[in-house]
Amino acid sequence: QKEVEQDPGPLSVPEGAIVSLNCTYSNSAFQYFMWYRQYSRKGPELLMYTYSSGNKEDGRFTAQVDKSSKYISLFIRDSQPSDSATYLCAMTPNDYKLSFGAGTTVTVRA
Amino acid sequence: ETGVTQTPRHLVMGMTNKKSLKCEQHLGHNAMYWYKQSAKKPLELMFVYNFKEQTENNSVPSRFSPECPNSSHLFLHLHTLQPEDSALYLCASSGGGTPWYEQYFGPGTRLTVT
Repeated sequence: QKEVEQDPGPLSVPEGAIVSLNCTYSNSAFQYFMWYRQYSRKGPELLMYTYSSGNKEDGRFTAQVDKSSKYISLFIRDSQPSDSATYLCAMTPNDYKLSFGAGTTVTVRA
Repeated sequence: ETGVTQTPRHLVMGMTNKKSLKCEQHLGHNAMYWYKQSAKKPLELMFVYNFKEQTENNSVPSRFSPECPNSSHLFLHLHTLQPEDSALYLCASSGGGTPWYEQYFGPGTRLTVT
């Protein structure tokens, strides 16, 4: 069993739709949960991070963590073509060793 | 230059060649990392340097040899690679006032081994 599972997609949505991304994990020691965005031919950039369970909102982005279910989500509201990218979830107990998902490729159609 | 830079951006090398990848960070961070990104697979952590000292070698074959002369520069020396080593090699940095898990990535070097 992989430590972090993420559906690779691809996911294609029309502009303005809500994008829903998620990851499941097996290690109950994970405390910090990150979402990275990776544009084509670029390195990943940190989008959001959340500590423990709960929700965090930043503009059009909302991250949710449910530790009891070992499940994290990222929602993108009012999606734009510029949101087209690969989204990687990552998590760690509390150190530099991040465990990544394989990434979900998202295309927002104009 | 700002952030994390990597050179070259693309590299094609034969199995008998020797080449080096370079990474430089301008963020004042203390830790630097090498990751391997293959298609449809999670990022694999290869090496970690903290204050120039190697703190992690994630069972990486000896044909990959890292070097960290100071906290701002990181190299990955390559020799006698295999075709399955073809991938995107990413450098990242963190620390120096920001959380260790908040890592900043360079654009990567796309390596093709022929």
